[in-house]
Amino acid sequence: DAGVIQSPRHEVTEMGQEVTLRCKPISGHDYLFWYRQTMMRGLELLIYFNNNVPIDDSGMPEDRFSAKMPNASFSTLKIQPSEPRDSAVYFCASSLEASGAYNEQFFGPGTRLTVL
Amino acid sequence: GENVEQHPSTLSVQEGDSAVIKCTYSDSASNYFPWYKQELGKRPQLIIDIRSNVGEKKDQRIAVTLNKTAKHFSLHITETQPEDSAVYFCAASKSYKLSFGAGTTVTVRA
Repeated sequence: DAGVIQSPRHEVTEMGQEVTLRCKPISGHDYLFWYRQTMMRGLELLIYFNNNVPIDDSGMPEDRFSAKMPNASFSTLKIQPSEPRDSAVYFCASSLEASGAYNEQFFGPGTRLTVL
Repeated sequence: GENVEQHPSTLSVQEGDSAVIKCTYSDSASNYFPWYKQELGKRPQLIIDIRSNVGEKKDQRIAVTLNKTAKHFSLHITETQPEDSAVYFCAASKSYKLSFGAGTTVTVRA
């Protein structure tokens, strides 16, 4: 398996533009997580899905952020309009449901977003 | 929600010495405690984890201990090597949601 795939790997855009980040989880995994990483705030969970259904979006910073998972092999995180403070590395991770909640999360390579 | 505190924020050790990173958590219902290693420019990767019904777990040079009463857990790296230089994150979880500590930058001096 190729692991979690994210695209693009780098994105540079101007303030006010729409940004779409994409993620393909590991085949067969039924949990998908979106994280944001910055020096100031560390690793923050934005939202996670189980079987394509959003379970907890309490980490989504504001209405400018939205995430979808139309099928088991694809998810998007959209920022509209983007702002300079959205500059960060965005990671997607997936995991396989196991007994209890003891399941390793596998991270993708991340998308480095720069908003000018 | 869960709050995870991690100390120290930076740690410099001589090659061959041991490194210890400590974390505390706030939610007594948390039952899974993974540790992730992130090399510069790379993704976080799981190096070891421990469940709430276990007090200690070891994997070669890495060990983790958990004190549920005190709500703290620690990572121990023995015989450190240059490739151990990275940022280490602790996390606590219940119901699949991970809350991460702020990270510890470990530098192993040759």
